[in-house]
Amino acid sequence: DTEVTQTPKHLVMGMTNKKSLKCEQHMGHRAMYWYKQKAKKPPELMFVYSYEKLSINESVPSRFSPECPNSSLLNLHLHALQPEDSALYLCASSLGQGARSTEAFFGQGTRLTVV
Amino acid sequence: GESVGLHLPTLSVQEGDNSIINCAYSNSASDYFIWYKQESGKGPQFIIDIRSNMDKRQGQRVTVLLNKTVKHLSLQIAATQPGDSAVYFCAETPGNDMRFGAGTRLTVKP
Repeated sequence: DTEVTQTPKHLVMGMTNKKSLKCEQHMGHRAMYWYKQKAKKPPELMFVYSYEKLSINESVPSRFSPECPNSSLLNLHLHALQPEDSALYLCASSLGQGARSTEAFFGQGTRLTVV
Repeated sequence: GESVGLHLPTLSVQEGDNSIINCAYSNSASDYFIWYKQESGKGPQFIIDIRSNMDKRQGQRVTVLLNKTVKHLSLQIAATQPGDSAVYFCAETPGNDMRFGAGTRLTVKP
């Protein structure tokens, strides 16, 4: 199983809503990532978890709240978003063991629209 | 044809030709580099990688070249096919801190 599964695939939410994006992998990877991708732009790193601990937070606004409940799951809780937060949100995972970097596997993303 | 990556974000080639996509990376501490392919509506897909102790690595129809002196990476695709049409990103990483370059859109004309 070399899949990273993201749900939902599409999400439309109002600016006062609270919603969560979910990501799951069963490859035994210990590093998990959230990226935000706007149209015609590269993915931008938001958060990195290493061994279920937040290791990188790219000064993301507090209306985005990540959570890593266990080594297979990664959530992104959303609250009071703005229309400019509309984007493709990508989850990825990599082996993340030791200092040796390895490739990251990406999910298909959640297309988020804030209205 | 050749793309200058950050300066020419599109590359159009004839089916069967070779493609070269370039990327300039920024972090001198990066020790691992990856090329990803992203098709419309999908997540990035791994193509090939290279570590900083190498300057060339070959896969099936793809070759990555690394020039650490000028912090430059290139992806060569041999005998480009219509299925190769996509956006190609390079990514650099020290550890788990993986960052993407601007990307190049490759269009293959039949």
